[in-house]
Amino acid sequence: GEDVEQSLFLSVREGDSSVINCTYTDSSSTYLYWYKQEPGAGLQLLTYIFSNMDMKQDQRLTVLLNKKDKHLSLRIADTQTGDSAIYFCAESKDTGRRALTFGSGTRLQVQP
Amino acid sequence: DGGITQSPKYLFRKEGQNVTLSCEQNLNHDAMYWYRQDPGQGLRLIYYSQIVNDFQKGDIAEGYSVSREKKESFPLTVTSAQKNPTAFYLCASIPMGGVRTEAFFGQGTRLTVV
Repeated sequence: GEDVEQSLFLSVREGDSSVINCTYTDSSSTYLYWYKQEPGAGLQLLTYIFSNMDMKQDQRLTVLLNKKDKHLSLRIADTQTGDSAIYFCAESKDTGRRALTFGSGTRLQVQP
Repeated sequence: DGGITQSPKYLFRKEGQNVTLSCEQNLNHDAMYWYRQDPGQGLRLIYYSQIVNDFQKGDIAEGYSVSREKKESFPLTVTSAQKNPTAFYLCASIPMGGVRTEAFFGQGTRLTVV
């Protein structure tokens, strides 16, 4: 079955880099995503990566995918207090129900 | 601007009452999804619909019902059979065509049983 796992909490100092990790079990996943959720709000898509890629960079965000180990990471450079939120890793396929399967989320706390 | 609108933002339900959460999208997306979020947990799939007049159970469908009479609308009813309905509910839509399967989310409805 499908399963996505993340660590629950990460604390960093403002200006440092943050690295949030995720592992997944379904080798047929087509897309892997990172979403951000602020308190009481919906989910905001930060970035995504196709399963045939191993890296994607988008401004302060870098996504690394190790398909062999089924490991996905999100690096946020120069972390700001506004980056404090819950970050969800998710996977989906291009067939079937196409629904996203989510990890339990990593709460990022940025200390000033 | 295109997007997904959920209403209401907050909803209170009495024991034994059915309530309906609204989800409307103007993105022309074929597929729509309902998720439930509990504290400290990820999102779990309740129901989904990939075409008008058709819908499928997700992973935690018991105690919920949906309809898809229009492409733009996918309301979720939380019935009295749902024993623990207090949660944050999120609606999403995905385009069926195209290469990228990106889910757009509404801002959520927080349901509380009183």
